[in-house]
Amino acid sequence: DIQMTQSPSSVSASVGDRVTITCRASQGISTWLAWYQQKPGKAPELLIYAASTLRNGVPSRFSGSGSGTDFTLTISSLQPEDFATYYCQQANSFPRTFGQGTKLEIK
Amino acid sequence: QVQLQESGPGLVKPSETLSLTCTVSGGSFSPYYWSWIRQPAGKGLEWIGQIYTSGTTNYNPSLKSRVTMSVDTSKNQFSLTLSSLTAADTAVYYCASLFRGAFDMWGQGTVVTVSS
Repeated sequence: DIQMTQSPSSVSASVGDRVTITCRASQGISTWLAWYQQKPGKAPELLIYAASTLRNGVPSRFSGSGSGTDFTLTISSLQPEDFATYYCQQANSFPRTFGQGTKLEIK
Repeated sequence: QVQLQESGPGLVKPSETLSLTCTVSGGSFSPYYWSWIRQPAGKGLEWIGQIYTSGTTNYNPSLKSRVTMSVDTSKNQFSLTLSSLTAADTAVYYCASLFRGAFDMWGQGTVVTVSS
């Protein structure tokens, strides 16, 4: 199985801050990577697929980059509704695997 | 817009079999891939498996011996059965659609508790 490791596990930030979350795959996955946002009690929501393609309707303050084994999710200017847990997921091979999550908290 | 809705029992006894169904509405059901994912309380996401509308499946090897997925295109539904349940199977179970390897639409999730 491909292991997905996110860092940090949690981060505190303020509205307006720029935040970057990193996801590392245990082996190369090209650009077969997706990012999700999950709020308490809700299903995850897809933000980005193919490492850098923003899903329709997702605000442009979200961006993704990377290929191979190292990927980043950047939120350029945090909004109150962005405080949530974020997961990466690889779609290069079976079984599909997720990172352990990064909890973004208000400072 | 496609909507997914899970249905099934909320409480199942240890050693028994769980059966869940996901009903898809508001969009095309075929030909697409559909998936099941679960999340224990306070923990991360675990992919269970996926099924194509032709019936082709891929399962997580960690669950493969206990998982079966099926599809009913006449009802726009796909299903999950998980046998030999233990407390470790207690989780929120989600169904989801697939787009370029990503899970783009999700059901609201159904809580399954394994307890006697």
